[in-house]
Amino acid sequence: LAKTTQPISMDSYEGQEVNITCSHNNIATNDYITWYQQFPSQGPRFIIQGYKTKVTNEVASLFIPADRKSSTLSLPRVSLSDTAVYYCLVGDLSGGYNKLIFGAGTRLAVHP
Amino acid sequence: DAGVIQSPRHEVTEMGQEVTLRCKPISGHDYLFWYRQTMMRGLELLIYFNNNVPIDDSGMPEDRFSAKMPNASFSTLKIQPSEPRDSAVYFCASSFPDRETGNTIYFGEGSWLTVV
Repeated sequence: LAKTTQPISMDSYEGQEVNITCSHNNIATNDYITWYQQFPSQGPRFIIQGYKTKVTNEVASLFIPADRKSSTLSLPRVSLSDTAVYYCLVGDLSGGYNKLIFGAGTRLAVHP
Repeated sequence: DAGVIQSPRHEVTEMGQEVTLRCKPISGHDYLFWYRQTMMRGLELLIYFNNNVPIDDSGMPEDRFSAKMPNASFSTLKIQPSEPRDSAVYFCASSFPDRETGNTIYFGEGSWLTVV
């Protein structure tokens, strides 16, 4: 399983764009990159997933360079409600099993 | 879809008592996971099932913990006897890996366990 490394914490202000980078040097060919968001007192929630290049949805964008050894979650114009822990996970669909390891995540604090 | 449903949401029990946590996965999902989250250890995978069969229970801390999945719509995590160090939030999650959703895992709201 590919190990991931991401910053422990980040601070931002309302209206700013936030970029959280995750390193996954040992990513395998079949691995997808998935980001989850967890608010206090709630379970983690899927944000976005990608395999290569760029993926965008209504919540965030995910940038993946050609070598796929890192990925960047981009949150446009954050608000106070984006204060949460963000997890980067790397895993594959092959082999008939599905097992993803959550690291420590990045604790994002958005200030007024 | 109602999502993953867990019960109880909160439980306070005395040391030595048996605790049973329950989970109903999302209909049609063939993978079910039990996670535990604490401040010290973060989010840990305890066990996961595929088509009701336990696949990997290497994360189960000790014999006091057991999990079952008698059918596709129900699973339990049991702690007997419970100890104060078992106090944590226990999450159940389910998944249906395919090319559309990838390996997205859908989490329940968690069961907050306090053992005194």
